[in-house]
Amino acid sequence: DTEVTQTPKHLVMGMTNKKSLKCEQHMGHRAMYWYKQKAKKPPELMFVYSYEKLSINESVPSRFSPECPNSSLLNLHLHALQPEDSALYLCASSLTGAGGYTFGSGTRLTVV
Amino acid sequence: GNSVTQMEGPVTLSEEAFLTINCTYTATGYPSLFWYVQYPGEGLQLLLKATKADDKGSNKGFEATYRKETTSFHLEKGSVQVSDSAVYFCALPPQGSGTYKYIFGTGTRLKVLA
Repeated sequence: DTEVTQTPKHLVMGMTNKKSLKCEQHMGHRAMYWYKQKAKKPPELMFVYSYEKLSINESVPSRFSPECPNSSLLNLHLHALQPEDSALYLCASSLTGAGGYTFGSGTRLTVV
Repeated sequence: GNSVTQMEGPVTLSEEAFLTINCTYTATGYPSLFWYVQYPGEGLQLLLKATKADDKGSNKGFEATYRKETTSFHLEKGSVQVSDSAVYFCALPPQGSGTYKYIFGTGTRLKVLA
């Protein structure tokens, strides 16, 4: 298995909703990442988990809450989001920090 | 600090035309260099990479040569197809142990017309 699987592919949520994005990989990668990508821009790093521990939080607002339940799964919990949080959320994994990433196809999030 | 500069797009070409997308970088030492491709509605895919100076990465007809003297890693393809329409990102991976942050270029959108 050489894929990173993200669910759901599309999500529309209201500003008072709570939802979660899920990411799964079975390549034995020990680094997992959440990125946010706005239209016509490169991805922006949000969080990094290394060996299931949060290593990097790029000053992301607390309405985004990551979780890494085990070495294969990564979640992003969403609560009280703003319309400007609408974007493509990408999960990625890598064997090491310096290696190439494997990206998922992303979740297209719309906040209404 | 480290940085990647990528040519502005969009680039519009006819099928079978030659493609060059320029990428230059600033970094200490001789890092690996990557090109990622993002097809419409998808995540990013690693297209090719080079791990040391003068290396040539290649995949799907695309090539890029790591030139340390010009700190460049330009992407080329001899004959583009409509299916190559996508956004291409040049990227500098993290340097040093315990670092994880990639530096991506701004992306170059390629549109190939039949």
